[in-house]
Amino acid sequence: RKEVEQDPGPFNVPEGATVAFNCTYSNSASQSFFWYRQDCRKEPKLLMSVYSSGNEDGRFTAQLNRASQYISLLIRDSKLSDSATYLCAVSFYTGGFKTIFGAGTRLFVKA
Amino acid sequence: DGGITQSPKYLFRKEGQNVTLSCEQNLNHDAMYWYRQDPGQGLRLIYYSQIVNDFQKGDIAEGYSVSREKKESFPLTVTSAQKNPTAFYLCASSIEYGQSNTEAFFGQGTRLTVV
Repeated sequence: RKEVEQDPGPFNVPEGATVAFNCTYSNSASQSFFWYRQDCRKEPKLLMSVYSSGNEDGRFTAQLNRASQYISLLIRDSKLSDSATYLCAVSFYTGGFKTIFGAGTRLFVKA
Repeated sequence: DGGITQSPKYLFRKEGQNVTLSCEQNLNHDAMYWYRQDPGQGLRLIYYSQIVNDFQKGDIAEGYSVSREKKESFPLTVTSAQKNPTAFYLCASSIEYGQSNTEAFFGQGTRLTVV
């Protein structure tokens, strides 16, 4: 089983739609959780950190469920500019923090 | 401006040659990482380093070597032992404190092609 798993998609949605991504992780000692956005042939950039209480930034909402070991990202009112690959990342301590990324979920938002 | 700089952006290597990818950061971050990304795939961890003169193998360390002689520098050598080195290589750094760490900040990446 991979340490971090995501549905690869692609997700094809119309503008204005709500779309949700899930990510599961296998290490119960994981301590930090993140969602990154990666545009084609570019480096990943942080979209949101994910906290136990859940957090929201505009149209984006991230949730963490430690009991079930998954994190989620909800995008409301999708824009064309949201088209990208969304990567989840999980960190745990093994003498140094090891950050493992999921394979990413591709999102295409259509006009 | 603070950030992470990777060089070169594109690199071509002949089979059997070693090549070194540069990664420099001026963010004063303690932790640095190297990832490899293949087309349509996620990031796979090659090596990571928490402090100077210390580093640990990630999930795909075979055929790679690193050094961490200075806090701001974490070069990656792709050796001839790496069977399929053509990929996009990403360097990142983060702050670690106590039992948590912050997000990773990435360089712009190096595209390595074996010809």
